[in-house]
Amino acid sequence: AQSVTQPDIHITVSEGASLELRCNYSYGATPYLFWYVQSPGRGLQLLLKYFSGDTLVQGIKGFEAEFKRSQSSFNLRKPSVHWSDAAEYFCAVGTLNNDMRFGAGTRLTVKP
Amino acid sequence: GAVVSQHPSRVICKSGTSVKIECRSLDFQATTMFWYRQFPKQSLMLMATSNEGSKATYEQGVEKDKFLINHASLTLSTLTVTSAHPEDSSFYICSARDPGHTNTGELFFGEGSRLTVL
Repeated sequence: AQSVTQPDIHITVSEGASLELRCNYSYGATPYLFWYVQSPGRGLQLLLKYFSGDTLVQGIKGFEAEFKRSQSSFNLRKPSVHWSDAAEYFCAVGTLNNDMRFGAGTRLTVKP
Repeated sequence: GAVVSQHPSRVICKSGTSVKIECRSLDFQATTMFWYRQFPKQSLMLMATSNEGSKATYEQGVEKDKFLINHASLTLSTLTVTSAHPEDSSFYICSARDPGHTNTGELFFGEGSRLTVL
């Protein structure tokens, strides 16, 4: 079965600084990988996804993520963080026919 | 993109009562929907897979008699929390797979329903 690990529970960065959120997955076949963002008390918003092709994927709000099969990773990056990026970020792994499994989440705090 | 809607977004009930949450796919038909539960400051945990026209498949540790799932049509799945207790208070999120997006494995999520049991 697929699983996801997000090693960082909480990250604080200054506004304007770069950001990298880590995600490692475990799955026997080629995974379908996703990053979602969740604001307090709200649903999930898809930032980006990878299912094939170019391993560097671009998402909304200036986010990007790189799939590295050798490291079983799918880290999320943003070159310059905005205060509005403060939220909870979830990495998820899915398959064609089954459900989606989520990491524990990383809470991002942005300092002014 | 595909839209999934949940109702109600917030519900408060007394202990011992039952609460029904609806999940609808608005612009596509979903043979399978998924119900997740999220406790404060925690991740989403899959509760069950809802299959249209058949019984739901529950994850280990989820009480099927407590969390009744009905998927009577291709656009509607319902989750009923029976005899709710304060420990059932949580954020419940449903999702569905759009047949038009099956090549990406993507699920489309509802806005979530926050249940508070007094």
